[in-house]
Amino acid sequence: GENVEQHPSTLSVQEGDSAVIKCTYSDSASNYFPWYKQELGKGPQLIIDIRSNVGEKKDQRIAVTLNKTAKHFSLHITETQPEDSAVYFCAASKGSSGGSNYKLTFGKGTLLTVNP
Amino acid sequence: KAGVTQTPRYLIKTRGQQVTLSCSPISGHRSVSWYQQTPGQGLQFLFEYFSETQRNKGNFPGRFSGRQFSNSRSEMNVSTLELGDSALYLCASSLPGQGNGYTFGSGTRLTVV
Repeated sequence: GENVEQHPSTLSVQEGDSAVIKCTYSDSASNYFPWYKQELGKGPQLIIDIRSNVGEKKDQRIAVTLNKTAKHFSLHITETQPEDSAVYFCAASKGSSGGSNYKLTFGKGTLLTVNP
Repeated sequence: KAGVTQTPRYLIKTRGQQVTLSCSPISGHRSVSWYQQTPGQGLQFLFEYFSETQRNKGNFPGRFSGRQFSNSRSEMNVSTLELGDSALYLCASSLPGQGNGYTFGSGTRLTVV
């Protein structure tokens, strides 16, 4: 089955710096790659996603890149703010079929701390 | 619009008991999935329901089961609870065929003592 590796497990940056989190996946059939942010006491919140027919996607300070050949995708956060502090999860999936959705396989998470 | 609602938020049970957790998806979302989150194993897929049918199942023992009702609300049940079942149980819903654009609830924190 699919295996998703995520690095680093912890990341500490100064406010205003950039943060990069990297993930690799094993199943070449995976075609959907979301990123989730989880704050204490809350469920994961989708912050950005990318599909395999796109190499890069950006939403304000957040961007995701995908290298299908290397089976590698990354989350980039620019101009970090203290409120960006949370646990970030990458995930991979084979998408959907017949209305049903394939499962998400998650990385182990990255604890991002943005120091004021 | 209202998000994914999970009840109860917290639950304490004794080994050997059974428990039922409830999930109300976002209105219009017909696909509901359940995940278990623990510090050691991270987020692991339990099962997915669509149109009242279990479509996909993760690698969990038969003590874990679920169902979906005609209004898309879902329940999961864990029988003969073990200490290792202590976890945050998350429900997520999405529109069918939307490539997994899941919205998660805040979860039910289950503690087995």
